[in-house]
Amino acid sequence: AQSVAQPEDQVNVAEGNPLTVKCTYSVSGNPYLFWYVQYPNRGLQFLLKYITGDNLVKGSYGFEAEFNKSQTSFHLKKPSALVSDSALYFCAVRDGDNFNKFYFGSGTKLNVKP
Amino acid sequence: GAGVSQSPSNKVTEKGKDVELRCDPISGHTALYWYRQRLGQGLEFLIYFQGNSAPDKSGLPSDRFSAERTGESVSTLTIQRTQQEDSAVYLCASTRLSYNEQFFGPGTRLTVL
Repeated sequence: AQSVAQPEDQVNVAEGNPLTVKCTYSVSGNPYLFWYVQYPNRGLQFLLKYITGDNLVKGSYGFEAEFNKSQTSFHLKKPSALVSDSALYFCAVRDGDNFNKFYFGSGTKLNVKP
Repeated sequence: GAGVSQSPSNKVTEKGKDVELRCDPISGHTALYWYRQRLGQGLEFLIYFQGNSAPDKSGLPSDRFSAERTGESVSTLTIQRTQQEDSAVYLCASTRLSYNEQFFGPGTRLTVL
């Protein structure tokens, strides 16, 4: 079965510290992986994606994610967190059999404290 | 330019009533998705439209759910005989190609009393 998991409901980090939001996946074939962010009272916004190529993907707002095939993970990272990064983050993977279908994790709430 | 818009933003209805939710995608985006997001959960794929091809309805949870889209324009999601478990935020997204990032609308919050 195809799926994606975000094991942490919430991540707390102090401003200026590095942050990591975890994502693991299970999919047949080569994974297409995405991260989206949802700010309060706003729609989901695309952050970055991995389709092929370098395992380290850089995206919007200074975020990056590392694709690890052996660990089936795609963790989101940022070297120095900002208070304005506080939001809900979703990992998504495209179904390996049905390319029209995407699976989203349950979301991780990131709290960055000043 | 204009993003994806959805209407209404909020809908409260009584159990057993039908509801219709609307999505206006970004102009030029051939692909359109509907998702359901229950409280505290991830997005659940419902249906996918690509141009004039037959839609992928594999995510629709029951025959009470249906959706239409004419060409590359507006889409409507209809829920007949609503149940309390249909209460959720319904999100629409559009994109040019299925492996590209999706652009999401603000969602419609449906509450079934």
